[in-house]
Amino acid sequence: QKEVEQNSGPLSVPEGAIASLNCTYSDRGSQSFFWYRQYSGKSPELIMSIYSNGDKEDGRFTAQLNKASQYVSLLIRDSQPSDSATYLCAVNRGYQKVTFGTGTKLQVIP
Amino acid sequence: NAGVTQTPKFQVLKTGQSMTLQCAQDMNHNSMYWYRQDPGMGLRLIYYSASEGTTDKGEVPNGYNVSRLNKREFSLRLESAAPSQTSVYFCASSESHSTDQPQHFGDGTRLSIL
Repeated sequence: QKEVEQNSGPLSVPEGAIASLNCTYSDRGSQSFFWYRQYSGKSPELIMSIYSNGDKEDGRFTAQLNKASQYVSLLIRDSQPSDSATYLCAVNRGYQKVTFGTGTKLQVIP
Repeated sequence: NAGVTQTPKFQVLKTGQSMTLQCAQDMNHNSMYWYRQDPGMGLRLIYYSASEGTTDKGEVPNGYNVSRLNKREFSLRLESAAPSQTSVYFCASSESHSTDQPQHFGDGTRLSIL
C-alpha cells in the first residue's frame, strides 16, 4: 500500500461545477496535511493546509480531513478553466517525513 | 519577494559529468529540502537540512551530495551524472521541521543526462 494515494485522473468537470479531489494515507500517526497545485511545467504551489478533523474553507477551496478514515479531500467550488492543473496531496507523518502523492490531474471544461 | 530561487533552470550534461544545483531562500527559513520529480513517481525527497549545519538523507540519496552553506543556501551536487538522474529537481524550504509547517518550492531545475 502506498503511503499517500491519489487517483491520477484526469478528472474532468464542467466550468462552474464542484471538483472533488481525494487522497488517502496509510500512516495513522500523520499530523498535518497539505494540498498543492502544480501547473504543467511549473513548481508546486501551496493552496491549503489542514491539521484537525473537519472542514477548512478558503475562498472557493474547502479541505476536508477525516483521520479515522485516513482520507483528506479538496473541494473546488465554481471551478474555472484556470483551475486546470495537477493537485498534489502531501502528508506530514512527523519529523521531516513528508510524503507527496503522485497527484490528480484536473481538467475544467469551458 | 523572491522566495526560493534555483539555478540553473535548465541543464544538459553528459554521462559522468558533475554539476552543482544551487538553491537560496530569502524567507529566513530554517529547513531546506531537495526533491526530484519524475512522471508517475511524484515528488521524492533526496536530502534535507533541518537547520543550518545539519543534513540528512531522504528517500533517494544515492548519487547525490548536499551542502548547507549557510541558513540561506542549500546546494545539491551530482558527482558523476547518470541517465537515471534525468529529472526535474525542486528545492523547497519551510520555517522549521515542525509538522505544521508547509514547504515552499522554487521554480525547479530541468536536468537531462545524455
